[in-house]
Amino acid sequence: GQQLNQSPQSMFIQEGEDVSMNCTSSSIFNTWLWYKQEPGEGPVLLIALYKAGELTSNGRLTAQFGITRKDSFLNISASIPSDVGIYFCAGMNYGGSQGNLIFGKGTKLSVKP
Amino acid sequence: EAGVTQFPSHSVIEKGQTVTLRCDPISGHDNLYWYRRVMGKEIKFLLHFVKESKQDESGMPNNRFLAERTGGTYSTLKVQPAELEDSGVYFCASSQRQGFGYTFGSGTRLTVV
Repeated sequence: GQQLNQSPQSMFIQEGEDVSMNCTSSSIFNTWLWYKQEPGEGPVLLIALYKAGELTSNGRLTAQFGITRKDSFLNISASIPSDVGIYFCAGMNYGGSQGNLIFGKGTKLSVKP
Repeated sequence: EAGVTQFPSHSVIEKGQTVTLRCDPISGHDNLYWYRRVMGKEIKFLLHFVKESKQDESGMPNNRFLAERTGGTYSTLKVQPAELEDSGVYFCASSQRQGFGYTFGSGTRLTVV
């Protein structure tokens, strides 16, 4: 089945640093999504990307849908302690009977004040 | 509006026992999804309901798992008999439109000992 390779697996950074993580796939998706999960909670949608090449920002977060439709990255600028959590990328091909998400394994982010 | 509610939040059972997880979606959301994250791995799709019908159950691991959504409101996921490898966090999500605007619940952490 489809699989996503998400890297890095974990990151330990200093408050104020910028963060970058990415996902690659061997197959194409028509939607890329980035989620954040905090302890004891479910994944919360951060950014949704629907068009190849699309670059979208949400506050300090920026994500891009790769031109090949097989990759996406998420950048966090000027990290703060509340950015701590696990970030997941997810790909989806909607339409017909589809609509389920294929997730990466997650990037665990730790921010040192 | 109330979010997606899952019950229980934690469950510890012995191998061979039965466990039933419940999910209450956001009111008016016809689409309901079950996902599972086994320790250290990616979140994986289990199945998708549209109202009371199973749209896609391709992710269900085996016939020890039974999902129902009688009346098209809340859903249950029963594991019978539970095995050690069933341990993980089970997430439910709902959406108004198929494939869009997913909202995840906080998950049920299942531990089989």
